[in-house]
Amino acid sequence: NAGVTQTPKFQVLKTGQSMTLQCAQDMNHNSMYWYRQDPGMGLRLIYYSASEGTTDKGEVPNGYNVSRLNKREFSLRLESAAPSQTSVYFCASSESVRGLAGGDTQYFGPGTRLTVL
Amino acid sequence: KNEVEQSPQNLTAQEGEFITINCSYSVGISALHWLQQHPGGGIVSLFMLSSGKKKHGRLIATINIQEKHSSLHITASHPRDSAVYICAVRWGADGLTFGKGTHLIIQP
Repeated sequence: NAGVTQTPKFQVLKTGQSMTLQCAQDMNHNSMYWYRQDPGMGLRLIYYSASEGTTDKGEVPNGYNVSRLNKREFSLRLESAAPSQTSVYFCASSESVRGLAGGDTQYFGPGTRLTVL
Repeated sequence: KNEVEQSPQNLTAQEGEFITINCSYSVGISALHWLQQHPGGGIVSLFMLSSGKKKHGRLIATINIQEKHSSLHITASHPRDSAVYICAVRWGADGLTFGKGTHLIIQP
């Protein structure tokens, strides 16, 4: 089992460019999450998907869109990248709809380091 | 919103030392998670606690609900324990707040 995989590992964008971060899990989990991690701050939830076909905003959704393509895949799109979106992005998955908030274990991907110039 | 404070922010210790990392929070919680983030970036769940104490190998986690405080202890520390340790608290209906993490370096 690969667990949670993310692509790409690193990306550099210019302001205004768009890109999609890909995430896939092979654990048959119902719920998937996108977080960002910035220096000096804790992880913050961007969007989550409780189950296939549903998505909801987290704490910091502005500037992002998501797609739950199927049960395995959850992508994060930056339509017009800004320097404030320079961060490390983590995808995670869990069996239950609420993940860590519901007391369930979350499994994290290795992260994508994004720099927006 | 729950304020989560971890201390220390950075900790360097010698191999074999007993390590303590602290987590305090401001609002009553239903449970607390400890996570480990490896130097390469990967994040792993270590413990979930709602009361008392849990032990896994050389790691021990305790929580005092009344004092709104949890500690993560590492006994006989080893360089492979070098990582960022993150506390996350569950509160309210679906609230989840992460601490900023404690950067631990264990020197041989």
